[in-house]
Order: sequence, then structure tokens, then C-alpha cells
Amino acid sequence: EVQLVESGGGLVQPGGSLRLSCAASGFTVSSNYMSWVRQAPGKGLEWVSVIYSGGSTYYADSVKGRFTISRDNSKNTLYLQMNSLRAEDTAVYYCARAVPFSYDAFDIWGQGTMVTVSS
Amino acid sequence: QSALTQPASVSGSPGQSITISCTGTSSDVGGYNYVSWYQQHPGKAPKLMIYDVSNRPSGVSNRFSGSKSGNTASLTISGLQAEDEADYYCSSYTSSSTPYVVFGGGTKLTVL
Repeated sequence: EVQLVESGGGLVQPGGSLRLSCAASGFTVSSNYMSWVRQAPGKGLEWVSVIYSGGSTYYADSVKGRFTISRDNSKNTLYLQMNSLRAEDTAVYYCARAVPFSYDAFDIWGQGTMVTVSS
Repeated sequence: QSALTQPASVSGSPGQSITISCTGTSSDVGGYNYVSWYQQHPGKAPKLMIYDVSNRPSGVSNRFSGSKSGNTASLTISGLQAEDEADYYCSSYTSSSTPYVVFGGGTKLTVL
């Protein structure tokens, strides 16, 4: 079965760090464009970051310099390292696979993991 | 505010058709055929309904269709059913630096 399973969310203080994981099954992470998308409570979707199959990475301005996307090919797992966290980073974080040859079409989504930044 | 503009809410009765609009600019919706639509039920992950403006993924009902004219994309749902009640988001690739993908603010569809 093709699926993504996120983990690593939780409660963290402002300025703290957290690493999210997204384990894939049924397909190869390194062969696909993989993104993180977040959704603040009661709000809409916000694209956060992408890693291309070739390894190039891009970030939304709101997280650039603080978040790092990466993958471990041996574990078929995607990661999001989040540093210098702020209250406005509070959201459900989803990992998602892009449809081949389409930049913004995410056909496989994880169940989401909640990140709460609060003192 | 969101990069793409959607109406906050739309409604329709079972069996009717509704259309949700998504307005952007020439740097996103108008410039590329990379427009997608997602359905999201409360507490669930988004589900891809339309991609590349008008393509339906396998398993998505043909009651859902997409189109684009200039800087505005549209999602049409025909033969409304109770289970269609959900939030709908459009997205587009953007060339105006980052973000690389922009979403609309979402539209709440109510089936009366």
C-alpha cells in the first residue's frame, strides 16, 4: 500500500527545535518530489518546503533559514528539521508526494502531525 | 492573505451543480497549467481531486471537473451529494520566487 506516516510532532517552547519524520511505503521517496505542507488551526493550507528527486531544496520565505528538509534514502524517509520555532509555526504538518511532472499536485498525503509552539 | 483568492463559502442542494473560483495572477494560475484542487473533510488530510487544471486522479468521481480562463481557475461539482460537503482548496505553481506552490484560502461547501 502506498502511504506516508508522519511522526515527531509535539509541544515545544518558542525558540526550540523539533524534527518531523515522514516514513514512506509502497514507493521510493528519492524518486519523487516531496513536500511539507502545514495548516494552522482553523486556517488554510500553506506550502512549506520541497525536495526534488535530484536533491534541490526550496523553502517558503516564512521558514527559510530556520527549517531544513532532507531525506534518508536507506530508510525511505523524509524529514523536516525545525529550529528557532515561533508561535506562528503552530500547525498540523503534512508530508506529501507530488504527482510526477506536476509541481503542485500532491496525490499522497500523510495523516499529519501536530506541532504546538507555546510557553 | 492567501496568494490565490477563493470565495469563503458556496452552497447548493443535492443534485445541483456548483462552481468554485480561484483567482490568481499571470505569475501563477494564468501562467501555467499547474492548478490543482483539494477536498478536505474535518480532521482529515486533503485529497487531490483535480490536477494540471482539468485532470482527475484515478478513483475521483467524474462529477468533479476543472477548467481555467486567464488568471481564474474553476472547480465544478455536478450532481451534488451530501458527502461533497467539505472545504475545497485550489493551488498553483508560482514563478514569483518562493513559495513555489501557493494555495487559495479555501471554500466551505455546504450541501443544503
